[in-house]
Order: sequence, then structure tokens, then C-alpha cells
Amino acid sequence: QQQVKQSPQSLIVQKGGISIINCAYENTAFDYFPWYQQFPGKGPALLIAIRPDVSEKKEGRFTISFNKSAKQFSLHIMDSQPGDSATYFCAASYNNNDMRFGAGTRLTVKP
Amino acid sequence: ETGVTQSPTHLIKTRGQQVTLRCSSQSGHNTVSWYQQALGQGPQFIFQYYREEENGRGNFPPRFSGLQFPNYSSELNVNALELDDSALYLCASSRDRGTGELFFGEGSRLTVL
Repeated sequence: QQQVKQSPQSLIVQKGGISIINCAYENTAFDYFPWYQQFPGKGPALLIAIRPDVSEKKEGRFTISFNKSAKQFSLHIMDSQPGDSATYFCAASYNNNDMRFGAGTRLTVKP
Repeated sequence: ETGVTQSPTHLIKTRGQQVTLRCSSQSGHNTVSWYQQALGQGPQFIFQYYREEENGRGNFPPRFSGLQFPNYSSELNVNALELDDSALYLCASSRDRGTGELFFGEGSRLTVL
């Protein structure tokens, strides 16, 4: 069922560094690409999202870069903080139905 | 504004039993989606309900069924439980069918022995 491939599986970054997580999708009908953050014991929470008519979206320290021709998108976390340590999921959907999630990236930010 | 709430938070069942999980959607939201999240995996779409009708279904067998009530709360029912059904079941609500943002609850952790 998975149509979104996410890498890396885990990532360790020093405080203040840049965290980069990549995703690739297959279905060109997808029109919404969110990133979710999940802490242990909690449900996923929307971090930032993009639609395919723009190539980049920035909200604070979080940026999505989107490459429609390559069917790839990525999350960049600038100035990573220990509080950013969590599991991050990329996802894609068409018309908000049947959201397809990547397998997740466990991010650890070391102080 | 009340967020998405799910119950129970944890439960243990044995193989072959049936389970019902409940979800109250966020105020103002009329669409509820259910996801199964196995340990160490991303959520997988089970189905979506919009105004009390099923509005899309993922690759899950018919023993997974649901309901949505007039107040937009929802139930997920799983019959004939199997060991592989052990997972975190997440409910997500959205303002309307077709809008992007899903608001997730904290999930119901089901263990099947």
C-alpha cells in the first residue's frame, strides 16, 4: 500500500545543525504533501505542508522543498534543537482521502 | 476548542474476539479518518467517514468496519481479531472532506494475545 518512500530511517544531528529528511512518491495524482511530527505516546501532529504548485515553503525553522518532476520532497529543520527529537513522517494524498505515510525518520538532536 | 479524543487508550484482547474503538472529532469537523500504526511504521489508512457515510477505504478486510454518528463522532469495529491487528489505532478529523489538514488523537493501543 505504501506509495511514499522516506529516508533515512534514523538521523542524529548536533544541536544547531541542519536536519534533512527526504521522501519520494509514485502517484502523480497526489496534490497535498504534509510532514507530521510524532512524539512517543502521542498522535502525529501536522508540522508543515505543501501543494505541488510551489517549490518551497518555509515556516520558522522548517522548510519543505518540492521537486515535482523528480517526484521528491524534503524537510529541512534549521538550527535543530533537542526538543525537535521525535519521529517525522512525510505523507501524500489526493483530495485529503487515503493519506499515504512514509515509514518515518527517528530524529535525535544531541545537545 | 476540544481536540480529537479517543477511547480506550489501551486494551488487551485475545485472538478471535471483537473490539470497538471510539473517537470524538474536533469541534467543527465533519470528517473522520481511521489509521492503523504498527510499531515502528507509518500510519496506514483504514477508511474515512464524511457525514455518516464511508468516503474511501484502504486495503483492509471487511472485518474492519466503522460508523459515524450525527454528532460526527465515530467508531471502529474489528471482528475476529488476529495477532497482526496489534497496533496503535489513530483517529483523525478534518474540517471537511477534501481539506488537507488532519488532526490526530493520541490513539488506542490494541494488543491481541
